[in-house]
Amino acid sequence: GAGVSQSPSNKVTEKGKDVELRCDPISGHTALYWYRQRLGQGLEFLIYFQGNSAPDKSGLPSDRFSAERTGESVSTLTIQRTQQEDSAVYLCASSFQGGLQETQYFGPGTRLLVL
Amino acid sequence: LAKTTQPISMDSYEGQEVNITCSHNNIATNDYITWYQQFPSQGPRFIIQGYKTKVTNEVASLFIPADRKSSTLSLPRVSLSDTAVYYCLVARSGAGSYQLTFGKGTKLSVIP
Repeated sequence: GAGVSQSPSNKVTEKGKDVELRCDPISGHTALYWYRQRLGQGLEFLIYFQGNSAPDKSGLPSDRFSAERTGESVSTLTIQRTQQEDSAVYLCASSFQGGLQETQYFGPGTRLLVL
Repeated sequence: LAKTTQPISMDSYEGQEVNITCSHNNIATNDYITWYQQFPSQGPRFIIQGYKTKVTNEVASLFIPADRKSSTLSLPRVSLSDTAVYYCLVARSGAGSYQLTFGKGTKLSVIP
């Protein structure tokens, strides 16, 4: 595709519900990244995929967070039993091969509000 | 983890040169430094990247001293459309994965 797309663009949920956030990377990009951005804050790195493998999951905030990726395509970030502190913008980015020098291309984000 | 520190905000008049400095005192030998720009309700966008010395592209310059403990993003002759938040990123690899540490961002306001 032309760029990284994310869905939904906005999500309002009730505390305790599960949510799934989707990211479609740029076609051909093998590396995919998830970040969280709380209101007025910087970007918090959550997880990185090389292909469908995530070598390090330690950046996920708690065991309520999980992520998976199908091949070198779509990724899903799942938050179980959502809490109000999960409210944030969740940003996805992709890059060609995942090297440190590579440009990351960001999607527009999913704005999650937990009531 | 790498640590980064940036000024929270800066103001500048149109047409001036703006320099934003990011401190990363514990930068490691193989870390790379990248700067991103973010407009409201959008994802960040790449501006420039460097390892050491000076890098220049069509929109900005990046100055990195020999000790690499800081980096300075230089925007020449800013315009109103440069009003945005600017983030420095220190990218580190290790143990088969990455540590990607963004600064908290510098909100640049360009004044007419």
